[in-house]
Amino acid sequence: NAGVTQTPKFQVLKTGQSMTLQCAQDMNHEYMSWYRQDPGMGLRLIHYSVGAGITDQGEVPNGYNVSRSTTEDFPLRLLSAAPSQTSVYFCASSPRWTGKSYEQYFGPGTRLTVT
Amino acid sequence: EDQVTQSPEALRLQEGESSSLNCSYTVSGLRGLFWYRQDPGKGPEFLFTLYSAGEEKEKERLKATLTKKESFLHITAPKPEDSATYLCAVQARGGSYIPTFGRGTSLIVHP
Repeated sequence: NAGVTQTPKFQVLKTGQSMTLQCAQDMNHEYMSWYRQDPGMGLRLIHYSVGAGITDQGEVPNGYNVSRSTTEDFPLRLLSAAPSQTSVYFCASSPRWTGKSYEQYFGPGTRLTVT
Repeated sequence: EDQVTQSPEALRLQEGESSSLNCSYTVSGLRGLFWYRQDPGKGPEFLFTLYSAGEEKEKERLKATLTKKESFLHITAPKPEDSATYLCAVQARGGSYIPTFGRGTSLIVHP
């Protein structure tokens, strides 16, 4: 299994540009989520999904959009990039909660710089 | 609102010098508490899940413990390869099932 994969690994955007960060998992996990990580701020939840066709907002959703058409893929769209979105983005997946808490599996991250 | 506070923010140890990292949490019912390790430039890697007060788990030089208000990650006789950021996260009853993370403790172990 490849686990959780993210592309691209690095990206530089100009203010106002849009782009999609890709995330895929091959573990048949129902839960997927996107975090951003900034120095001193820890991991902050952007959007999450508990299954195909179901998405919801996290702590910092403004400026980002998601959709989940398949179990495997959970892309994150930046609608109009701003310098404040310069960050490292992590995608994670986990099995559905069934009375036991399952750990999340994280991708390697995408380092985004907006100039 | 679920809150997770980790301390200290940064910790420098000499090789062999044991210490503990703290994770204090406030949740409306705990489903699970997670510890992760994160190396520079990489995604977090799972270490432990704790479910109830009094529970302990061990892995090599690491031991995680849980009370009703906090968790400790004890590092016994650390080595330089234990240098990393350690993240704590809690999953609360109800809500989104997605854990809330603390800001992490950056550990450096000097040879």
